[in-house]
Amino acid sequence: AQKVTQAQTEISVVEKEDVTLDCVYETRDTTYYLFWYKQPPSGELVFLIRRNSFDEQNEISGRYSWNFQKSTSSFNFTITASQVVDSAVYFCALSEKGGSNYKLTFGKGTLLTVNP
Amino acid sequence: GAGVSQSPRYKVAKRGQDVALRCDPISGHVSLFWYQQALGQGPEFLTYFQNEAQLDKSGLPSDRFFAERPEGSVSTLKIQRTQQEDSAVYLCASRVGAADTQYFGPGTRLTVL
Repeated sequence: AQKVTQAQTEISVVEKEDVTLDCVYETRDTTYYLFWYKQPPSGELVFLIRRNSFDEQNEISGRYSWNFQKSTSSFNFTITASQVVDSAVYFCALSEKGGSNYKLTFGKGTLLTVNP
Repeated sequence: GAGVSQSPRYKVAKRGQDVALRCDPISGHVSLFWYQQALGQGPEFLTYFQNEAQLDKSGLPSDRFFAERPEGSVSTLKIQRTQQEDSAVYLCASRVGAADTQYFGPGTRLTVL
């Protein structure tokens, strides 16, 4: 069973639009962490944000914000006032405590294209 | 401080050749992971080290894949008798402690002809 689902394969927006990337996860652990990583064309995975299962407080960091809802097992990520440099593939990932060494399980990614 | 580095960045191998991919983790990071990323997919776990001990190799796809980290720092992923299906980007990540964030290197893109 897929543990991390990113239903949006591709999203295209015009610069300055807000864009939300969806992520739904599945776990039986009570202790887990959720992440968003960005992969620009250069290929390197860049860490963006992290949330633990005990903290549902949603925050804003610059142009990034996230909405973590345990009731719906969702961890959505929003970029406000998108810029061309935000164009990349965005991955949602889950790490669980239960005997897995907190290895990361990734979704299939969402390709975001921001057009000028 | 330097991030995770990987070499080579690109590797082309003929089917049947052996390859070795290197990862230099962030200094002081105890844990090291290898992931495989096929084209258009998310990274998938291969193996995990804590210091020099390989604690989890459940993701290695076959016995042709072998990883080591003999001194608890640099790690090498070796693929013997490469096959076309081994073509992928191989990503290395390191972290300080058990539940900390993993930081990734730039990856090695392996193409098997």
